[in-house]
Amino acid sequence: EDQVTQSPEALRLQEGESSSLNCSYTVSGLRGLFWYRQDPGKGPEFLFTLYSAGEEKEKERLKATLTKKESFLHITAPKPEDSATYLCAVILPIDKLIFGTGTRLQVFP
Amino acid sequence: DTEVTQTPKHLVMGMTNKKSLKCEQHMGHRAMYWYKQKAKKPPELMFVYSYEKLSINESVPSRFSPECPNSSLLNLHLHALQPEDSALYLCASSQEGRYGYTFGSGTRLTVV
Repeated sequence: EDQVTQSPEALRLQEGESSSLNCSYTVSGLRGLFWYRQDPGKGPEFLFTLYSAGEEKEKERLKATLTKKESFLHITAPKPEDSATYLCAVILPIDKLIFGTGTRLQVFP
Repeated sequence: DTEVTQTPKHLVMGMTNKKSLKCEQHMGHRAMYWYKQKAKKPPELMFVYSYEKLSINESVPSRFSPECPNSSLLNLHLHALQPEDSALYLCASSQEGRYGYTFGSGTRLTVV
């Protein structure tokens, strides 16, 4: 069965305290992995797409990496405005997108 | 226009009501999707339309009825819903799934 798991479930950081979020997947036929940010009551906002092991993408304080079994979202020197739920999702054949369980990040000043 | 627009933003309906959710995109995307998201849970796929034809139905109860009138519009017709159907309903579109999905802001549905 295709499965996507994220850890930790929740993360509290002090402003400036760098950390990493994990996304582990067991799927047949990975066509790509996405990272999204979601604020309460809003739709997911696209951050990154990764297609192959070894690939890395960066945007401001965020950096996403991909291996054959997992992806990491590294947050460097986070700010309170980075507080949100971070979702990873994998795209399977037949154009099916499956989301992970999400990590709720809170950054305190 | 790089947005997916969903209306209404909020909807309260009784269990005997009939209502519809609407979704619109003008990016020329070939595929459109409905997702359901309960509080503190990830979005769950309900339906996929590709080139205006239903391609995936994730065993959704018949009280949810999707419709794709044209390549820019997607509706979700609701009838005889239950309180447990209360959730955030998200619409998304993509040109080619592996290049990314664009999500709307969602409709917050409350069934009373």
